[in-house]
Amino acid sequence: AQTVTQSQPEMSVQEAETVTLSCTYDTSENNYYLFWYKQPPSRQMILVIRQEAYKQQNATENRFSVNFQKAAKSFSLKISDSQLGDTAMYFCAFIYNQGGKLIFGQGTELSVKP
Amino acid sequence: KAGVTQTPRYLIKTRGQQVTLSCSPISGHRSVSWYQQTPGQGLQFLFEYFSETQRNKGNFPGRFSGRQFSNSRSEMNVSTLELGDSALYLCASSAGQAQNIQYFGAGTRLSVL
Repeated sequence: AQTVTQSQPEMSVQEAETVTLSCTYDTSENNYYLFWYKQPPSRQMILVIRQEAYKQQNATENRFSVNFQKAAKSFSLKISDSQLGDTAMYFCAFIYNQGGKLIFGQGTELSVKP
Repeated sequence: KAGVTQTPRYLIKTRGQQVTLSCSPISGHRSVSWYQQTPGQGLQFLFEYFSETQRNKGNFPGRFSGRQFSNSRSEMNVSTLELGDSALYLCASSAGQAQNIQYFGAGTRLSVL
């Protein structure tokens, strides 16, 4: 069975600092995709970043970057220069095969403090 | 391009009733996935429809069903509602391949009394 684990239920960071959210996953698949989604208090789920498992290069989107360690099945998210608007629940997710079925972790609630 | 639209945004039902939720995907997307979000169980996959066919199914009882129309709009139905069905129901649309991003709607908040 495919599983995704986020071991940090809550985290906080000061504005302008850097924070790293952890995610591990378990799968026997070789070709898959990993995502970080953000869900602010409005409950609208928003894609933060995507990583293809076959790519060794870590994905980057502005202040967001990942550290993808395929052998360790680890996929952490680094947020640089944290902003108040980054306050949200962050979900790590995994998908494989045809698509359509995202498997989510339990989420990490991030608070950015002024 | 319009985003994913879910209606209604809020619903209050009583136990034993049935409910239908609607999801209109982004234009051109053929895949619609449904998820249930609760504080206890987190985000759980219900099912996915692709070109009017159910392609993937999660571990939910048969009271949860869905369908997709030729214009890719999807509906989800829950019959014989239970208190435990109270949740935020999210739908997401994509082009249909694993590498494609799923774009989410704002959700339907269902409360079962």
